[in-house]
Amino acid sequence: SSELTQDPTVSVALGQTVRITCQGDSLRNYFASWYQQKPGQAPVVVIYGKNNRPSGVPDRFSGSNSGNTASLTITGAQAEDEADYYCNSRDTSGNYWVFGGGTKLTV
Amino acid sequence: QVTLKESGPVLVKPTETLTLTCTVSGFSVSNGTMDVSWIRQPPGKALEWLAHIFPHDETSYNTSLKKRLTISRDTSKRRVVLTVTDVEPGDTATYYCARLTYYYDSNGYYIDAFDIWGQGTMVIVSS
Repeated sequence: SSELTQDPTVSVALGQTVRITCQGDSLRNYFASWYQQKPGQAPVVVIYGKNNRPSGVPDRFSGSNSGNTASLTITGAQAEDEADYYCNSRDTSGNYWVFGGGTKLTV
Repeated sequence: QVTLKESGPVLVKPTETLTLTCTVSGFSVSNGTMDVSWIRQPPGKALEWLAHIFPHDETSYNTSLKKRLTISRDTSKRRVVLTVTDVEPGDTATYYCARLTYYYDSNGYYIDAFDIWGQGTMVIVSS
């Protein structure tokens, strides 16, 4: 399968913890990367690999992986975390890339 | 600091060919050649990966669009071009180019990420 599945919408109260998940067969072989996109802006990578955060990404963002599921966790969500989040990985063949359908996070 | 910038027409007619250019700045070709993908996003919809060009100019395409896409790099190595033939209204989207960075970690696992994105360029397909 070349698909990555995400819940379309997730809500979290300010300061609480939220987990956004991404499911797909390719995740058994490849790590997901996670992208935050705010309205009118280009996506920005927030997590990649096992649990790597680019410089400048707050440490409240973390990633994890289990079987065919990758998760992005925000511990202590802030108002500025309200955005669309997309997961991405190589597809099962390793020859292409695929994005999930995106999750709209409301804080 | 490496930056990417997309450019191209805002409006194209159905059946025409769309040509988009991604210009790379702040990257020295003496450091090698970048991996670059094109990714698009229709209004209000999800990101869709389209095509990728590897450092030695091998290419990879979204299988559902492969017949209509061509990705190439100019000899200066500073521009990556995407052409989309026979466009239709469904091709209306913001088109992004993005740099792919990848490596193998200490355990031998493959790691990658689109770590630098252009600002995107909006393309409308309409007669």
